[in-house]
Amino acid sequence: AQKVTQAQTEISVVEKEDVTLDCVYETRDTTYYLFWYKQPPSGELVFLIRRNSFDEQNEISGRYSWNFQKSTSSFNFTITASQVVDSAVYFCALIPSNYQLIWGAGTKLIIKP
Amino acid sequence: GAGVSQSPSNKVTEKGKDVELRCDPISGHTALYWYRQSLGQGLEFLIYFQGNSAPDKSGLPSDRFSAERTGGSVSTLTIQRTQQEDSAVYLCASSQDRDSRQYFGPGTRLTVT
Repeated sequence: AQKVTQAQTEISVVEKEDVTLDCVYETRDTTYYLFWYKQPPSGELVFLIRRNSFDEQNEISGRYSWNFQKSTSSFNFTITASQVVDSAVYFCALIPSNYQLIWGAGTKLIIKP
Repeated sequence: GAGVSQSPSNKVTEKGKDVELRCDPISGHTALYWYRQSLGQGLEFLIYFQGNSAPDKSGLPSDRFSAERTGGSVSTLTIQRTQQEDSAVYLCASSQDRDSRQYFGPGTRLTVT
């Protein structure tokens, strides 16, 4: 079965705290792609990152970082020094070899001032 | 260049009527996706087009739903005999090819009364 699990339905932290959003995926494919998208209250989905299954290097972009571990089938997302503007729903997604995009249920992140 | 556009932005219809939702993808993008997002929920995959053909229609919830894409560009999602449970935001996305990042439109909010 191919699946994406975001076990955290909602996370609430105080501004400036670090926060990690978990994403665990299931696929038997050796070639696949993983994504993170952000959906702020305005509703429009914003692309954050794309990672292919052969590239396990962690990535950092400003306050955002991603930890891809094939051994645990996880692709976790960390926001350092969170800000109120980071409040949104964050989705993790998987494209397996059949190209049907599989989405996690999303994690609602609330950053309190 | 222009992003993905969708029309109408809002549609209120009476139960039992048919509706058509339109998506204009980014020029040159071969892949086009339709999703549905109910209030507070994640994304539900509906259908995927590669060019004008739809290799994956598995997400269409019933035979009242159909979609077409013409000229490798504009796509129309049609819902016949709308029901109240069809109320949701319908999102369209396009991508350069099947495993690239998806660019999302602003969505059409459908309300069935």
